[in-house]
Amino acid sequence: QSVLTQPPSASGAPGQRVTISCSGRSTNIGRNTVNWYQQLPGTAPKLLIYTHNQRPSGVPDRFSGSKSGSSASLAISGLQSEDEADYYCATWDDSLNGWVFGGGTKLTVL
Amino acid sequence: QVQLVQSGAEVKKPGASVKVSCKSSGYTFTDYYVHWVRQAPGQGLEWMGIISPSGGSTNYAQKFQGRVTMTRDASTSTAYMELSSLRSEDTAVYYCARGGTMIIVSPDYWGQGTLVTVSS
Repeated sequence: QSVLTQPPSASGAPGQRVTISCSGRSTNIGRNTVNWYQQLPGTAPKLLIYTHNQRPSGVPDRFSGSKSGSSASLAISGLQSEDEADYYCATWDDSLNGWVFGGGTKLTVL
Repeated sequence: QVQLVQSGAEVKKPGASVKVSCKSSGYTFTDYYVHWVRQAPGQGLEWMGIISPSGGSTNYAQKFQGRVTMTRDASTSTAYMELSSLRSEDTAVYYCARGGTMIIVSPDYWGQGTLVTVSS
């Protein structure tokens, strides 16, 4: 059981907008920045969003992040087939004194 | 460019130990934390622990306390993760990732992963 809770799956048609949620607690998301990773099949995770809503160089602005209280969301607009991947949220947990990941959400582009 | 290159796949018997290496380049190795994260087949990412830039301190996930040792060698810009008393449930891909200059900064660049298979 992951400390951060994500829906196991999400889907959308090309061009649509999809959001993925990540629910935590006051000791993790509530106090710290949230980061999102994209993992394409058979590859290492790639940093997609850091510090709630910042994108590393090269990440399209179709990807955006937000945080409210102890929850966070990743939004993907203008869905493309290449977005089909697993997405993970992650943050530091003050109580555990370590990093925690969500269980991951498998995004299917219909 | 920043690169983290890990050692090759390993096959170990239950009860044995494995040591995975992670060689960094393209940045000042001694300025950044290094994370270790694993992923069992078909499962999600699991954080194992982190080692400080100097190597002087480590934080291990409670699940791995007593079985994992993380070290680093500044002279070769290489980080190491050793896991002992291996069991079949430890079969996974093990990743190293560059952290930030502070422990709460997210991992950004990742190694390619090392598959460790535990089987009798």
